[in-house]
Amino acid sequence: ELKVEQNPLFLSMQEGKNYTIYCNYSTTSDRLYWYRQDPGKSLESLFVLLSNGAVKQEGRLMASLDTKARLSTLHITAAVHDLSATYFCAVGEGLSNFGNEKLTFGTGTRLTIIP
Amino acid sequence: NAGVTQTPKFRVLKTGQSMTLLCAQDMNHEYMYWYRQDPGMGLRLIHYSVGEGTTAKGEVPDGYNVSRLKKQNFLLGLESAAPSQTSVYFCASTQDRHRNYGYTFGSGTRLTVV
Repeated sequence: ELKVEQNPLFLSMQEGKNYTIYCNYSTTSDRLYWYRQDPGKSLESLFVLLSNGAVKQEGRLMASLDTKARLSTLHITAAVHDLSATYFCAVGEGLSNFGNEKLTFGTGTRLTIIP
Repeated sequence: NAGVTQTPKFRVLKTGQSMTLLCAQDMNHEYMYWYRQDPGMGLRLIHYSVGEGTTAKGEVPDGYNVSRLKKQNFLLGLESAAPSQTSVYFCASTQDRHRNYGYTFGSGTRLTVV
């Protein structure tokens, strides 16, 4: 059974600082997704990582994937208050010959940026 | 372009009552999913569909049924609601077989069973 672990679960950081959220998973997969969720809202897609070594950046967020280590990271550079949210990683796992997959989510990292 | 629309947004049920949650997408997506989200946990897959007329069980299917009679709609039914089904339910869809563009999620339905 695929397990996805995120750490830390809670993160409080000051504006302007850098930090990294880690996502470890237990079985082979080369499909990793990062989502953002604001309180009471739906999930917003941030990054789709589809191969070993994939790196994607959007603004102050950068995500990477190391499939050999079964590890993805979400790096936050010079944090600003607007980045306060819960961040989820999800690992794609094949379901059938139709190319379908299911997502197994981590428990989320609640990030609070303090002015 | 509405994307993925879920109705209702909120609902309170008494134990034993039934209800249907509707998910509608206007993106002509083939694949649709129902997830539930509980406090302190990530989303867990309830049921999914790979196309019109198809459904399959996910990780936590017990107590739920689904139907996909039309490509754009995916219905989640609770025949006899239980307090353990208190949760936030999210529908998601995707077209891309290789998931290059990720999934689109609805805004969620917050269900309370008393």
